[in-house]
Amino acid sequence: AQTVTQSQPEMSVQEAETVTLSCTYDTSENNYYLFWYKQPPSRQMILVIRQETYKQQNATENRFSVNFQKAAKSFSLKISDSQLGDTAMYFCAFSGTASKLTFGTGTRLQVTL
Amino acid sequence: DAGVTQSPTHLIKTRGQQVTLRCSPISGHKSVSWYQQVLGQGPQFIFQYYEKEERGRGNFPDRFSARQFPNYSSELNVNALLLGDSALYLCASSWIQGPTEAFFGQGTRLTVV
Repeated sequence: AQTVTQSQPEMSVQEAETVTLSCTYDTSENNYYLFWYKQPPSRQMILVIRQETYKQQNATENRFSVNFQKAAKSFSLKISDSQLGDTAMYFCAFSGTASKLTFGTGTRLQVTL
Repeated sequence: DAGVTQSPTHLIKTRGQQVTLRCSPISGHKSVSWYQQVLGQGPQFIFQYYEKEERGRGNFPDRFSARQFPNYSSELNVNALLLGDSALYLCASSWIQGPTEAFFGQGTRLTVV
């Protein structure tokens, strides 16, 4: 069974600064996908970024980028130029051959002025 | 294109009652999954359906059941409701079964009193 661990329950960052959210996971599978989802107070779970683990290059989506370290089973999310609208819960998630998503416990990110 | 739609958005039920939640996937998506999110936790996988067949089931009691219709919409049924069933129920759709991203609806907030 896969497990996903997010060790930072809460984080705070000032507007325009950079913040990194941590995620580690455990799996015996070799090919899988990793995701970061954002859940604002509106409850909608929004896909932020995905990483196909057969690709060596780290994924980037505008201000969001990941640092994927397969050997270390680490998958961190970097948010650059933080904006007030980035305030939300962020969940790291794993998808393997079982295709279901396994989520971490989340990190609550607060962006302040 | 419409995203994943869920109904109703909020629901209050009494212990022992039965509830049906509904989900319409993104057009062209053939896989629907259901997740339960208890306050303060990450979503937990309940079911996955692909091409109208159950393809995965999480660690939930038999009181939970689901089905997928020919148009790929889905229903989640919960019988004999318990207070502990109070949660946000999320539906996610994806176009294939297997490791891939999933797109979520806004969820149904179920309160059992």
